[in-house]
Amino acid sequence: AQKITQTQPGMFVQEKEAVTLDCTYDTSDPSYGLFWYKQPSSGEMIFLIYQGSYDQQNATEGRYSLNFQKARKSANLVISASQLGDSAMYFCAMGGSGNTGKLIFGQGTTLQVKP
Amino acid sequence: GAVVSQHPSRVICKSGTSVKIECRSLDFQATTMFWYRQFPKQSLMLMATSNEGSKATYEQGVEKDKFLINHASLTLSTLTVTSAHPEDSSFYICSAQDRGRGQETQYFGPGTRLLVL
Repeated sequence: AQKITQTQPGMFVQEKEAVTLDCTYDTSDPSYGLFWYKQPSSGEMIFLIYQGSYDQQNATEGRYSLNFQKARKSANLVISASQLGDSAMYFCAMGGSGNTGKLIFGQGTTLQVKP
Repeated sequence: GAVVSQHPSRVICKSGTSVKIECRSLDFQATTMFWYRQFPKQSLMLMATSNEGSKATYEQGVEKDKFLINHASLTLSTLTVTSAHPEDSSFYICSAQDRGRGQETQYFGPGTRLLVL
């Protein structure tokens, strides 16, 4: 069975500093995708970044980068130069097995950016 | 691109009534849409997979007669909460997969907050 684990319920970071949100996963599938979504208090789920299991390089999207360590089964999100607007809930997710399109979500991490 | 809309954004209803929530992909065709449920401060829980032109696939523990899903076109899926009760109060959010983008990314609607009195 697939599993996603986010062990940090809450994180604080000073504005303009970088922060790493942890995510570990477990799967027996050789091919899978890993995602990070941001959920502000309004509730919408905002797609941030995607990493395929066969991608050779770590994914980057602007201030977001994914530190993918396949052997350790981790896919940590790094946010550089934090902004006040980054305060939100962040979810790590994994594409389900069999290419069904289903997503399995972690428990989430609440990030608060301090001015 | 890849915009998903959801309507209504917020609904309050009396216990025993039915509520329909619409999920639309605005700029792409979605053969598959997903419905999630989220309680406060918790993660998203997949309820069902909605397939265009066929029956929805429900996750274990989700009552298919309670949560009716219809995916009548490539851009519209609806979730109907039948005979709603206070315990059905939750945040319901849909997503659609844009396979045309060549990856598995799902794009989410803005969600619907349901309050059953």
